[in-house]
Amino acid sequence: EVQLVESGGALIQPGGSLRLSCAASGFTFSSYGMNWVRQAPGKGLEWVSYISDSGNTIYYADSVRGRFTISRDNAKNSLHLQMNSLKAEDTAVYHCARGSLLLEWFDYWGQGALVTVSS
Amino acid sequence: DIQMTQSPSSLSASVGDRVTITCQASQDIGKSLSWYQQKPGKAPILLIYEASNLEMGVPSRFSGSGSGADFSFTISSLQPEDVATYYCQQYDDLPTFGQGTKLEIK
Repeated sequence: EVQLVESGGALIQPGGSLRLSCAASGFTFSSYGMNWVRQAPGKGLEWVSYISDSGNTIYYADSVRGRFTISRDNAKNSLHLQMNSLKAEDTAVYHCARGSLLLEWFDYWGQGALVTVSS
Repeated sequence: DIQMTQSPSSLSASVGDRVTITCQASQDIGKSLSWYQQKPGKAPILLIYEASNLEMGVPSRFSGSGSGADFSFTISSLQPEDVATYYCQQYDDLPTFGQGTKLEIK
């Protein structure tokens, strides 16, 4: 059974940093592209970032480029999102989501980690 | 960015009704479109990919159609467990989602 479990969510002050992690199991992690997708409270879904199976190809949404860094450790079946210079508008539940070799649809999602940016 | 316009934003229908949601892209995206169901407090679930392909394990009452810029998602016979918010998503370019359609039972 495919499982994606996020961790690291917290209440953080504006300008602060936070690192989210996603532990993957039930599939060959190194064979899939992975994504972060967020959802602000009461709002819709927003794709944040993608990393290819090998980690060689990375994309970011304009809203986070230059502040967020996606990475993965295929030996540990884990995905990470380093978030710096956090803003109030980054407040959201952050889901990790399995993709495909290319950046296409998302076939499995984790339950998400809540990040609240507030003073 | 490719903008996705979903309609309606909310809809109320009776059990057994045929329900259709539309999604329009701001440019031609071919068939690079997926549909998701999200229940309150839960993660989204993939229902349809490549505009019309049903994800494994998804009930056959769900279907999708369209290509280019105009797409639709249909539930052929609405069931109580279908109460949820539905999203379209394009992946012809960096992914973007529609704003969602909240579906309720009348």
